[in-house]
Amino acid sequence: DSGVTQTPKHLITATGQRVTLRCSPRSGDLSVYWYQQSLDQGLQFLIQYYNGEERAKGNILERFSAQQFPDLHSELNLSSLELGDSALYFCASSVRMGQSYGYTFGSGTRLTVV
Amino acid sequence: DQQVKQNSPSLSVQEGRISILNCDYTNSMFDYFLWYKKYPAEGPTFLISISSIKDKNEDGRFTVFLNKSAKHLSLHIVPSQPGDSAVYFCAGGTSYGKLTFGQGTILTVHP
Repeated sequence: DSGVTQTPKHLITATGQRVTLRCSPRSGDLSVYWYQQSLDQGLQFLIQYYNGEERAKGNILERFSAQQFPDLHSELNLSSLELGDSALYFCASSVRMGQSYGYTFGSGTRLTVV
Repeated sequence: DQQVKQNSPSLSVQEGRISILNCDYTNSMFDYFLWYKKYPAEGPTFLISISSIKDKNEDGRFTVFLNKSAKHLSLHIVPSQPGDSAVYFCAGGTSYGKLTFGQGTILTVHP
């Protein structure tokens, strides 16, 4: 158990719909990172939040948005879903490892858009 | 702009032999590099890291080599075991904590 919790594990929805993915970082971790892993793609950085504020943005579509709440859990909202949005979505919190940082990942949410 | 590249989508190795996974990067600002391992239906897990000021880091069967002049790093697994079969991601990191990942390499270790 990494300590990073993601729900739901699986989600099947139709095109045009909206879904919300949820992430609870490890206790005490202030950062949350969201990544997307599509078929044949690596881990694409979407967005980072730190203590409730957006810290960095990556290749996140305008149809996607995220927020981090006072209790530090985060939600990733995906709207007007398209078939190409089918992917694994991971969140991670960062952990200090000596002079560097690493990520602890959740087990992911598998989104299937039909 | 792919700052971290893993040009080999897959690698197949016999059990007991060496597995060498390669990674190239373009961003000279990375302070450190990490390797992650991912099994199906699980999130990536940290494997080993190396500071940009080092050229080698070893942890048991896993060794990471960094060639800064070539902007290249590699992960050596010796000896390879069937349980090592997974997707391996390399990543570059900066001092403010953001990681940039490569596309991943699928390693298959045959018994």
